[in-house]
Amino acid sequence: DGGITQSPKYLFRKEGQNVTLSCEQNLNHDAMYWYRQDPGQGLRLIYYSQIVNDFQKGDIAEGYSVSREKKESFPLTVTSAQKNPTAFYLCASSGFSVGSTDEQFFGPGTRLTVL
Amino acid sequence: GDSVTQMEGPVTLSEEAFLTINCTYTATGYPSLFWYVQYPGEGLQLLLKATKADDKGSNKGFEATYRKETTSFHLEKGSVQVSDSAVYFCALSERGATNKLIFGTGTLLAVQP
Repeated sequence: DGGITQSPKYLFRKEGQNVTLSCEQNLNHDAMYWYRQDPGQGLRLIYYSQIVNDFQKGDIAEGYSVSREKKESFPLTVTSAQKNPTAFYLCASSGFSVGSTDEQFFGPGTRLTVL
Repeated sequence: GDSVTQMEGPVTLSEEAFLTINCTYTATGYPSLFWYVQYPGEGLQLLLKATKADDKGSNKGFEATYRKETTSFHLEKGSVQVSDSAVYFCALSERGATNKLIFGTGTLLAVQP
């Protein structure tokens, strides 16, 4: 079945560590996105990528990094510079084309907890 | 910039009650509008969408109409079920080169038997 997978489902990080969250899609979508969700809040955009080997910062990119070496993969690294990384992280993709309004499809999420 | 405002929750209803969750938006252009639903511990699923003024999106008994004159996209359902209990997010898509989504803060719906 086509869809988006995220791993791991739960992730624990010690202070000062970098961790990488995986996101893979087999929908042949060009665009991919990373969001952060905190309790009682909406989703905030961290990074997005419209095409392989290109990505842009979203609203809260500080302390995060991404890569887009393959169309189907968009990993997110939470670095030690991110001061409050405990949150639920959601990856999404869309069949992006200029001027289109394609909806975004979401993965099941990764819950990151800093110990 | 563009923004979405939706009613705060939680909204608590009895089974078979009528549901309305208000959503209004601010946008400089003509965005597409979406309702997403999130069940506990899961990602978001698209519930319905509308791409232009006066369009009505509908799915699983839920409806919402794109009202340009009132900049609103209120979600309604005539008879809710316990299985509808979830968090509902209103969102708009910025037209142009990015296709970015802007979300409201979400509304928790709890339906009691």
